[in-house]
Amino acid sequence: KNEVEQSPQNLTAQEGEFITINCSYSVGISALHWLQQHPGGGIVSLFMLSSGKKKHGRLIATINIQEKHSSLHITASHPRDSAVYICAVMYSGGGADGLTFGKGTHLIIQP
Amino acid sequence: NAGVTQTPKFRVLKTGQSMTLLCAQDMNHEYMYWYRQDPGMGLRLIHYSVGEGTTAKGEVPDGYNVSRLKKQNFLLGLESAAPSQTSVYFCASSFIAGGHYNEQFFGPGTRLTVL
Repeated sequence: KNEVEQSPQNLTAQEGEFITINCSYSVGISALHWLQQHPGGGIVSLFMLSSGKKKHGRLIATINIQEKHSSLHITASHPRDSAVYICAVMYSGGGADGLTFGKGTHLIIQP
Repeated sequence: NAGVTQTPKFRVLKTGQSMTLLCAQDMNHEYMYWYRQDPGMGLRLIHYSVGEGTTAKGEVPDGYNVSRLKKQNFLLGLESAAPSQTSVYFCASSFIAGGHYNEQFFGPGTRLTVL
């Protein structure tokens, strides 16, 4: 199955820092998702995008279709941003089963 | 709206026992999914359903069965539990709009331990 690679796997930063999490994939996609999972908690969809850039509060997601790469940025990071961030893609031509997930980036924001 | 709910939240089974995990959604979504999440691995699709009365296998279907008798419910069954099925199980639902698949809405998860 096609791979979704995330980097870094683990990231520890200080409160207030600008955070970047990267996601790369191997073939054409119809959509890319960014998900957030808090420790012991459920999974929440943050963004779904197929081109360009989306912003929600302090979170920004970008995608470069030609380079097969997406980034999730967090501005003015806060300890409550500590979570696992998961990238998932639906490959072009994929059906209802089409999401392929990365292994996640474990982010810790220290006060 | 409750969104996607899962029952139970935790369960401990002995090898060979059976159980059913229930997923319910109140968003009238056509698509429902069962995933498992294991340490160091991404979410993996077990089974999915594209509508009432239909189910299909995902990436890791062995040892599991599913049923979608009502649109709002998706049941995941383990007929004879094995330690390898120790995992956190997530249910999700989704919909199509404008010919495109949309975001998936996840339940809170069920932590299952098989001894």
